[in-house]
Amino acid sequence: RKEVEQDPGPFNVPEGATVAFNCTYSNSASQSFFWYRQDCRKEPKLLMSVYSSGNEDGRFTAQLNRASQYISLLIRDSKLSDSATYLCVVNLGRGGSYIPTFGRGTSLIVHP
Amino acid sequence: DAMVIQNPRYQVTQFGKPVTLSCSQTLNHNVMYWYQQKSSQAPKLLFHYYDKDFNNEADTPDNFQSRRPNTSFCFLDIRSPGLGDAAMYLCATSRDGAAGQGIIYEQYFGPGTRLTVT
Repeated sequence: RKEVEQDPGPFNVPEGATVAFNCTYSNSASQSFFWYRQDCRKEPKLLMSVYSSGNEDGRFTAQLNRASQYISLLIRDSKLSDSATYLCVVNLGRGGSYIPTFGRGTSLIVHP
Repeated sequence: DAMVIQNPRYQVTQFGKPVTLSCSQTLNHNVMYWYQQKSSQAPKLLFHYYDKDFNNEADTPDNFQSRRPNTSFCFLDIRSPGLGDAAMYLCATSRDGAAGQGIIYEQYFGPGTRLTVT
């Protein structure tokens, strides 16, 4: 099993749709979780940190399920500008320390 | 604005010719990371620093070296670039979040340096 796993997609949705991505992780001791957005040929940018209680920022909702070891990102009312790759990041143990580990990303294409 | 800066944005080098990529930050973060990202792949961590404490990933080739002369600057040296080293190189910073306890904070990325090897 990969350490941080995402469905690469692409998810192809019409404007206004609701779309959800999941990201599974291997280390039950992980405590820090993030979603980043990456546009083509650009750097990743933080979209949301993911908290135990779940958190919402406008059209975006992130949730953490520790029992099943996954985080999710829900995007409501999709806009054309939401088209991007969404990367999840989980801190994983490495020799007594923890480092941020990326999933390969999920590609979202929002069409008119 | 506080930020992470990478220079150059685009670098072309010849096979086997050493190249240095630079990263600077005005965020005063004590953790700095270097990632390699190839097309349609996840960013792959090469190494990171907690202050001056250098941490190399086990699968980072010896061909890749790094220096951090002070808090603000970090360099990636590729001693003998091969065609397979062509990629986007991303520098990132974060606050120290007690990583030994499993806590890290969000990362801030520079715009990257796109390396071409001819």
